[in-house]
Amino acid sequence: GAVVSQHPSWVICKSGTSVKIECRSLDFQATTMFWYRQFPKQSLMLMATSNEGSKATYEQGVEKDKFLINHASLTLSTLTVTSAHPEDSSFYICSARGTGDSYNEQFFGPGTRLTVL
Amino acid sequence: AQSVTQLDSHVSVSEGTPVLLRCNYSSSYSPSLFWYVQHPNKGLQLLLKYTSAATLVKGINGFEAEFKKSETSFHLTKPSAHMSDAAEYFCVVGPSDMEYGNKLVFGAGTILRVKS
Repeated sequence: GAVVSQHPSWVICKSGTSVKIECRSLDFQATTMFWYRQFPKQSLMLMATSNEGSKATYEQGVEKDKFLINHASLTLSTLTVTSAHPEDSSFYICSARGTGDSYNEQFFGPGTRLTVL
Repeated sequence: AQSVTQLDSHVSVSEGTPVLLRCNYSSSYSPSLFWYVQHPNKGLQLLLKYTSAATLVKGINGFEAEFKKSETSFHLTKPSAHMSDAAEYFCVVGPSDMEYGNKLVFGAGTILRVKS
């Protein structure tokens, strides 16, 4: 149980285009999902916390107009990188907060590698 | 506030020898602690977690960790390294009570190399 998927697993796009990444909880309902980015040889940095049916909470320094997050259902959150530029190239990982006894645990997706040319 | 320090950025061991990956944490309230493993270009896999139950936590693939409150440590160990253990390991701290939110704080990571 507690499986999280991401789609796509990798994407290459041209500078100036927008890219949407999907995060799904496959076998449980996730009221809260998280989006992280990971630069090469670095740790994960939290970008934003996404709550179903409400606006996302962004971490300091993360541009909310550039990284649009939508959490329209209990099993799906999307991250849209708008007007992507090469510096947005990174590994984006989502997670979903568990339920019940697993409330304190986050279940991670496999990540999406974004390369902006 | 919470923070995590992984004391070694790289650890190299020979196959069949013990593994020790060190982690110290800081938390203004009772923490939950986790170890995750990440293989190249892959997502994170949970190895084990401590959530205020037994202080010695056993995880998958023969790993275990001991929560030592007096030392604010949560070191990860394995008696005998296998080649497949080569990966990056993250020590993570989070709140144990929803009253304190639900964010996780990641350590910088330790890359484990296993020599044949």
